[in-house]
Amino acid sequence: QSALTQPASVSGSPGQSITISCTGSSSDGGGFNYVSWYQQHPGKAPKFMIYDVNNRPSGVSNRFSTSKSGNTASLTISGLQAEDEADYYCSLYTSNNTLVFGTGTKVTVL
Amino acid sequence: EVQLVESGGGLVQPGGSLRLSCAASGFTFSNYWMHWVRQESGKGLVWVSRIKSDGSSETYADAVKGRFTISRDNAKNTLYLQMNSLRVDDTAVYYCVRRARYYAIDVWGQGTTVTVSS
Repeated sequence: QSALTQPASVSGSPGQSITISCTGSSSDGGGFNYVSWYQQHPGKAPKFMIYDVNNRPSGVSNRFSTSKSGNTASLTISGLQAEDEADYYCSLYTSNNTLVFGTGTKVTVL
Repeated sequence: EVQLVESGGGLVQPGGSLRLSCAASGFTFSNYWMHWVRQESGKGLVWVSRIKSDGSSETYADAVKGRFTISRDNAKNTLYLQMNSLRVDDTAVYYCVRRARYYAIDVWGQGTTVTVSS
């Protein structure tokens, strides 16, 4: 299964909102159910941020939200802050119990 | 505190072998499916392998099939990845990760670095 497609980079000013898309192939459409998002700062392990639609683990800010339409999922970061500058990855848990990750998006806070 | 701690990484020559370990603590290890994910320097995340909670079933990425073996010892709360016939393109940070009941990866280890080079 091919990697999910994300924009290479997205930027915004502090306080603004940005959205990162995550698109699977047409064959994923019927099974694009278990999508989650991860934040990774340089030199650190990824951090679990959100799964499905707006399900956040304890401690993750509600400035992070998600949506989904067909085989495209989106992560929106509202009220952008300097600490949000990081790489973001989506992932899809497949029906074969494997994982497919997105290509990754570098978020820059201007 | 829920924690995953990998070990066993290092420098190995092409064709060599390494065994990675991942010590789990703070949760009932035997209840969870576990995976390995790797990341080359400056590149994205790539899924490597997964094992069912009771160790009865495993799956591998095509790139490692036939060379890597995932296993677990639930009595020792430890996950393993035996890596044989290593290639230069296996060079990466390897993360041990836990799959939550809702099909997301909710816990990541700190990673262990594997370098395959002559």
